[in-house]
Amino acid sequence: DIQMTQSPSAMSASVGDRVTITCRASQGISNYLAWFQQKPGKVPKRLIYAASSLQSGVPSRFSGSGSGTEFTLTISSLQPEDFATYYCLQHNSYPITFGPGTKVDIK
Amino acid sequence: EVQLVESGGGLVKPGGSLRLSCAASGFTFSSYSMNWVRQAPGKGLEWVSSISSSSSYIYYADSVKGRFTISRDNAKNSLYLQMNSLRAEDTAVYYCGCFGNDYWGQGTLVTVSS
Repeated sequence: DIQMTQSPSAMSASVGDRVTITCRASQGISNYLAWFQQKPGKVPKRLIYAASSLQSGVPSRFSGSGSGTEFTLTISSLQPEDFATYYCLQHNSYPITFGPGTKVDIK
Repeated sequence: EVQLVESGGGLVKPGGSLRLSCAASGFTFSSYSMNWVRQAPGKGLEWVSSISSSSSYIYYADSVKGRFTISRDNAKNSLYLQMNSLRAEDTAVYYCGCFGNDYWGQGTLVTVSS
């Protein structure tokens, strides 16, 4: 099974900060990676698919990069509505696995 | 408008059973693989099961294999999850979802407790 790790597990940041979250796969997954944002009590929302493709309707301050085993989600200028938990998801092979999440809160 | 509406959650005793349903509308349900994902209280997201568009391919997480059964009825635009031998650790909000299009239901809460 492919294990997904994320770093950091939590972070505090200020509005306007550049934020980078890393996701690592225990083996190569090509670009079969997505990033999700989830706010408390809400349904997860996909931000990025295929590692670097921006989901329609998602602000351009979100970007994804990487291939193989290391991936990053970058928020170029953090906005108040971006405080949330972020998850990566690999769908290269079954079982599909989510990363453990990165909680971004207000500094 | 795309809608996925889960139902069937509730309180059940350990060892009991529940059947979750997910009613889909607003997209061509029969063309897409579908998934169940769960989230225990205060925890992260966990993939549970997937089923291909024609039910030819079915996959389960190890944590539910042998206890849960996913199925679908394309004529009724519906997805199901039969959950047997439920355990306390199965307590979670269960979401149905179509990863390919990022369609998600609002979730249904399953609580396993005596």
